[in-house]
Amino acid sequence: DGGITQSPKYLFRKEGQNVTLSCEQNLNHDAMYWYRQDPGQGLRLIYYSQIVNDFQKGDIAEGYSVSREKKESFPLTVTSAQKNPTAFYLCASSMQTGGVHNEQFFGPGTRLTVL
Amino acid sequence: AQSVTQLGSHVSVSEGALVLLRCNYSSSVPPYLFWYVQYPNQGLQLLLKYTSAATLVKGINGFEAEFKKSETSFHLTKPSAHMSDAAEYFCAVSSNNAGNMLTFGGGTRLMVKP
Repeated sequence: DGGITQSPKYLFRKEGQNVTLSCEQNLNHDAMYWYRQDPGQGLRLIYYSQIVNDFQKGDIAEGYSVSREKKESFPLTVTSAQKNPTAFYLCASSMQTGGVHNEQFFGPGTRLTVL
Repeated sequence: AQSVTQLGSHVSVSEGALVLLRCNYSSSVPPYLFWYVQYPNQGLQLLLKYTSAATLVKGINGFEAEFKKSETSFHLTKPSAHMSDAAEYFCAVSSNNAGNMLTFGGGTRLMVKP
């Protein structure tokens, strides 16, 4: 089955720790995205990548980092600089076809809690 | 800049009643609009999308939405609510042609009463 997987489903972090959230897709999509979801605020874009070895900051990139070494993978690291990291994190991917608005496909999410 | 406003963070309907979830957008260029549904602790699933082909768009699970340029609206409707429709619904607008970037509204939680 083609799709997007995120792991772990639940993650607990102590203050001052970095943690990495995994996102893998087998849809052969060029573009991948990371969103943060907080109650009542919808989804906010953290980072996105349109091709391998390239990525761009979204609206709330501070305290986060990403890499895109492989087309299938787009891991997100939540660093200790992120002061309020408790949230639900969603990864998405989409085809990249010029002039066509392709929908984004979402993974099941990772819920991060800071202890 | 693109923006989306969803009126009503919570909507409650009785089973069998009409569902109406409101979405208004702001865009300086012709928009592309999407409705997604999210069940608890899950990712988002696409319900339907408007890409300028037709103003009335039919989606999955009996939902449809109508693009009204004069009202800058893209409201989501379903004639008869089912208990299984209880979820959070997000309206989104595409910001540009490159990267399929989306701007999301704040979401509307739909509750269905028996």
